[in-house]
Amino acid sequence: SQTIHQWPATLVQPVGSPLSLECTVEGTSNPNLYWYRQAAGRGLQLLFYSVGIGQISSEVPQNLSASRPQDRQFILSSKKLLLSDSGFYLCAWAYGRAGDTQYFGPGTRLTVL
Amino acid sequence: QKEVEQDPGPLSVPEGAIVSLNCTYSNSAFQYFMWYRQYSRKGPELLMYTYSSGNKEDGRFTAQVDKSSKYISLFIRDSQPSDSATYLCAMRVFSGGYNKLIFGAGTRLAVHP
Repeated sequence: SQTIHQWPATLVQPVGSPLSLECTVEGTSNPNLYWYRQAAGRGLQLLFYSVGIGQISSEVPQNLSASRPQDRQFILSSKKLLLSDSGFYLCAWAYGRAGDTQYFGPGTRLTVL
Repeated sequence: QKEVEQDPGPLSVPEGAIVSLNCTYSNSAFQYFMWYRQYSRKGPELLMYTYSSGNKEDGRFTAQVDKSSKYISLFIRDSQPSDSATYLCAMRVFSGGYNKLIFGAGTRLAVHP
């Protein structure tokens, strides 16, 4: 069976500090991978998606970047965090290019102070 | 106008009640329709997905799609306190060269004993 991991679970960072969130998937190969942000009481905003190693597409221009160094590893980064980067960050995977049904990780709650 | 509209609630019902959760959408290109359940501070988990108009049943859950009215519903029979969560609808559309999911903002449901 497939499993998706995210860490850390929670993170409190000062404004201007760097960020690195990691997501890994087990039990499948060549998945589509996604990063979402969920603000309090709001829906999911797609940030990045990847169909393969080194292939990243950005949905929304912002202070964040993503990388996929390995097939089942997806990393979300920032060089300098802003207050507005606070939120709940979710990684998701889907089979192949269809991307019909996405399966989510447990999330990382980021607070920028 | 948002592409997907979902009443945020909160919706409070007694245990054993039938719950009806709904989403409307404006884009006729939406194809697959999904419902996710999200417990507090957790990642969303896929409950049901469907493609065509009509009903799909899984245990106490029934998903209903009416493409002509651009309206989808999730019914929960014999609701339990463990059903207390936020329910997100999601719809798949082909955009920008890949399939992406558009999420509603979520409806918060509370089932009290």
